[in-house]
Amino acid sequence: QVTLKESGPGILQPSQTLSLTCTFSGFSLSTYGMGVGWIRQPSGKGLEWLANIWWDDDKYYNPSLKNRLTISKDTSNNQAFLKITNVDTADTATYYCARIALNYGSLDYWGQGVMVTVSS
Amino acid sequence: DIQMTQSPASLSASLEEIVTITCQASQDIGNWLAWYQQKPGKSPQLLIYGATSLADGVPSRFSGSRSGTQYSLKISRLQVEDIGIYYCQQASSAPLTFGSGTKLEIK
Repeated sequence: QVTLKESGPGILQPSQTLSLTCTFSGFSLSTYGMGVGWIRQPSGKGLEWLANIWWDDDKYYNPSLKNRLTISKDTSNNQAFLKITNVDTADTATYYCARIALNYGSLDYWGQGVMVTVSS
Repeated sequence: DIQMTQSPASLSASLEEIVTITCQASQDIGNWLAWYQQKPGKSPQLLIYGATSLADGVPSRFSGSRSGTQYSLKISRLQVEDIGIYYCQQASSAPLTFGSGTKLEIK
């Protein structure tokens, strides 16, 4: 059974660094073809893809967030991480991690999401 | 970036009615297209991958099709549990992009 769960600080102040953790089970990020992605959704709005990391440590980022994103993984502990530097109120959103399926790169399992608020 | 133009933005339909949602890709993405359903307060759930393949556990009343760069999601007989917001997403190239969503309600 594949499960993912996000964790994060809940609330942080502008200019701080947001650190998110995705803890998963039922698959391994050391298995060929496996990947994990991060997606966010401001309240009442649509979905925005942020970054992917793959079994071979290949990484892709959304260029709209420029150099603020860093994705990484801890294969031994079945975790993936996302850091966003210099946050502001526009980064307030629910953040999801999801497994990237072997089939056409779809996101086949999602975590429940973690809400992050940036406020002074 | 590949743009996904999704329509309609909202849709109200009767039970048992056929519902169709479309996404137009701004360039060729082949079959690298997925559809998701998001119910209120929940995470998105994969419905269709590879443009036409039904994800595990998804009712057979859902189907996906492709005509060139236009993709469609069809619900053959609308049920109450189908209300929610539907998104398309292309996985052909980074940055991955989603459609803007279609809010489906029961008339």
